[in-house]
Amino acid sequence: QSVLTQPPSVSAAPGQKVTISCSGSSSNIGNNYVSWYQQLPGTAPKLLIYDNNKRPSGIPDRFSGSRSGTSATLDITGLQTGDEAVYSCGTRDSSLSAWVFGGGTKLTVL
Amino acid sequence: EVHLLESGGGLVQPGGSLRLSCAASGFTFSIYAMTWVRQAPGRGLEWISEIGGIDGDTFYADSVKGRFTISRDNSKNTLYLQMDSLRAEDTAVYYCAQRGGTVATGKGRFDSWGQGTLVIVSP
Repeated sequence: QSVLTQPPSVSAAPGQKVTISCSGSSSNIGNNYVSWYQQLPGTAPKLLIYDNNKRPSGIPDRFSGSRSGTSATLDITGLQTGDEAVYSCGTRDSSLSAWVFGGGTKLTVL
Repeated sequence: EVHLLESGGGLVQPGGSLRLSCAASGFTFSIYAMTWVRQAPGRGLEWISEIGGIDGDTFYADSVKGRFTISRDNSKNTLYLQMDSLRAEDTAVYYCAQRGGTVATGKGRFDSWGQGTLVIVSP
């Protein structure tokens, strides 16, 4: 059971927009910054978004993040088949003194 | 370019030990906190341990505390994870990751990841 809650799967058509949610509590998302990771099939995770809404160099602006209260969201616009992956949120949990992740959301581009 | 390469995974019996290594290059290894994150088959990511860069302070998830030991050799740009008293539930792909950001400000992220090494604990 992951500390952060994500939907197991989402799907959308190419060119459309999808939103992936990440729900937590005041000890994690509510008081710490959120990052998002993309894991393409058979590969290691890759940093996609950090500090709630910042993109590392090389990440297209089709990917955006936001945080409100104890929840965070990842938006992906202009979906491409190459975006099919598992997306995971992560943050610090101050009560646990640990880094925590969501269970991951599998994105299918129909 | 940051490069992290894990090694040392394999098949081990319950109660056994393994030592994982992570060779780092492309950045100033000694100043970065480094972590181990694992992913059991079909499951999400699980942070298990971190070691500070300069201070070398160590931290562990409750699931591995007392059984796993993280260490680093800054002269060799290498991170280690000594895993003892292994259990079936430790079966996972183990990733090393470069941890950026500052815990004190609530900012933290895993900037770069290795390709992972598979550990299977089975009779």
